[in-house]
Amino acid sequence: AQTVTQSQPEMSVQEAETVTLSCTYDTSESDYYLFWYKQPPSRQMILVIRQEAYKQQNATENRFSVNFQKAAKSFSLKISDSQLGDAAMYFCAYRVSGGSNYKLTFGKGTLLTVNP
Amino acid sequence: NAGVTQTPKFRILKIGQSMTLQCTQDMNHNYMYWYRQDPGMGLKLIYYSVGAGITDKGEVPNGYNVSRSTTEDFPLRLELAAPSQTSVYFCASSYERGYLYEQYFGPGTRLTVT
Repeated sequence: AQTVTQSQPEMSVQEAETVTLSCTYDTSESDYYLFWYKQPPSRQMILVIRQEAYKQQNATENRFSVNFQKAAKSFSLKISDSQLGDAAMYFCAYRVSGGSNYKLTFGKGTLLTVNP
Repeated sequence: NAGVTQTPKFRILKIGQSMTLQCTQDMNHNYMYWYRQDPGMGLKLIYYSVGAGITDKGEVPNGYNVSRSTTEDFPLRLELAAPSQTSVYFCASSYERGYLYEQYFGPGTRLTVT
């Protein structure tokens, strides 16, 4: 079974600094997708960034980028120029490509605090 | 587009009561999902549907039932509520075709069973 592990329950960063959140996963599949979701206190799940496993290039979305290491099964999220609005719970998620069940498997989350 | 909407936002149930959590999406998505999020945990899949009339179990289906009579609606039924069902429930939808696979989430329903 696929599992997703986020080893940092909590992280903090100073405003305008850079922070990296870690995620590792376990799968026997070769084709899959990886995601980072943000959950602010409002509880809304917001997609931050996604990565297709077949792409070697790391995904970027404005201040958010990932370091995808397929052989190491690692998928970290880097937030540059951190802003107060980035404070939230961040979840790493995995899903297989193809098949009929497109469920997301989530890690337990990392609570990010941004200090002014 | 309202996206994915869920009602109610909050609910307190007594043990043994039943209720239905409503979920509606207006994006014409074929796939819909129900997840639950327990404190300090990620989301776990309860049930999912690949289209109207087709549903299947996820990781934690016990104590729940679903139906999908239309593309838009995917209600989750709790029968004989138990304290272990205290959680936040999220409905999500996606359009599974090619690169269009992102899941869109509703705002969640916080359920307490006492």
